Amino acid sequence: AQSVTQPDIHITVSEGASLELRCNYSYGATPYLFWYVQSPGQGLQLLLKYFSGDTLVQGIKGFEAEFKRSQSSFNLRKPSVHWSDAAEYFCAVGAREKLTFGTGTRLTIIP
Amino acid sequence: NAGVMQNPRHLVRRRGQEARLRCSPMKGHSHVYWYRQLPEEGLKFMVYLQKENIIDESGMPKERFSAEFPKEGPSILRIQQVVRGDSAAYFCASSPETVYEQYFGPGTRLTVT
Repeated sequence: AQSVTQPDIHITVSEGASLELRCNYSYGATPYLFWYVQSPGQGLQLLLKYFSGDTLVQGIKGFEAEFKRSQSSFNLRKPSVHWSDAAEYFCAVGAREKLTFGTGTRLTIIP
Repeated sequence: NAGVMQNPRHLVRRRGQEARLRCSPMKGHSHVYWYRQLPEEGLKFMVYLQKENIIDESGMPKERFSAEFPKEGPSILRIQQVVRGDSAAYFCASSPETVYEQYFGPGTRLTVT
């Protein structure tokens, strides 16, 4: 069965600092991997996705993620965070039929 | 192009009542998915539908929950005889035929009193 682990429940970073959110997955085949962001009381917005090809994928809002098959990881990065990046971030694995989500990482930005 | 629409955004029901949640997919999308998010948790898959067909309902509770996606109109998630444990945010997502990514609606927050 597929599963996703986001080991960091809550991360606090200073505005302008770099960010890395961790995601590890378990999947029986070549995974489709996604990062979504959820602002309070809102739905989920797709940040980026990996299906195949280049293991470093670029997304919206300056985010990128790197797929590492040997580590079963798909970590999300941003070189310089903005106060508007404060939100909940979810990693997900799956294909068309259903996505399996991690429990999320809450990002707090301090001035 | 309007996004995925869900209504109502907030729904309050007393124990034992029925809840009906509606989802209109993005234009051109023929696949609909429902997920449930309990407080402080990630989203859990419930059901995957195409027009007039339930493709995968492996995440649906065995009783009281049902879903449909008729030929015309929105997809409906129906919860009969709601209990307090049904209080959650219910999200709908849609995808087009050939793209392996899902676009989410704003969710319906169900509160059972």
